[in-house]
Amino acid sequence: KQEVTQIPAALSVPEGENLVLNCSFTDSAIYNLQWFRQDPGKGLTSLLLIQSSQREQTSGRLNASLDKSSGRSTLYIAASQPGDSATYLCAVRPNDYKLSFGAGTTVTVRA
Amino acid sequence: GAGVSQSPSNKVTEKGKDVELRCDPISGHTALYWYRQSLGQGLEFLIYFQGNSAPDKSGLPSDRFSAERTGGSVSTLTIQRTQQEDSAVYLCASSPWGGSTDTQYFGPGTRLTVL
Repeated sequence: KQEVTQIPAALSVPEGENLVLNCSFTDSAIYNLQWFRQDPGKGLTSLLLIQSSQREQTSGRLNASLDKSSGRSTLYIAASQPGDSATYLCAVRPNDYKLSFGAGTTVTVRA
Repeated sequence: GAGVSQSPSNKVTEKGKDVELRCDPISGHTALYWYRQSLGQGLEFLIYFQGNSAPDKSGLPSDRFSAERTGGSVSTLTIQRTQQEDSAVYLCASSPWGGSTDTQYFGPGTRLTVL
């Protein structure tokens, strides 16, 4: 069974600092890995999707890397802003459609 | 365009009552998913619909849970004889075709509280 772990569980940084969020998974047989953002009381917003054949994806201040063989992904958020405060979820897609999610990292960016 | 919508946004019910949760996927999306997010736990897959194929119900936690999708669009998740452990946020997602390159688009969720 696929296990997805996110470290740290919570993170608090001053505005302007770069954020590094880690995700690890136990089964490397995945189609893709996706990073989501969840705001309190809201649904999930997809940030980046990395296919298994890719090493990284970038969108604006966000960069996600994927090392499938070692079962790791890292989400980097450059020059953090208070609006980046949210819970970030990592999800892997194995050889079917069922996403396996980590428990998330709750980020607080202090102004 | 419009995203995935869910109703109600919040539902409080008494133990033993039945509840229905509704999901309207993005127009044209053939794949629809239900997930559950319980307090202190990650999201867990419940059920998957793809076009006219038989749904994958392997994630439903008990036979009190059922779901249907009418006309390949709107889906309803029904929980019978609710229990306190059913309290959670129920999230619906849709994707264009359910393939490996699909991005799943999530709705805002329904927060269910069973007293």
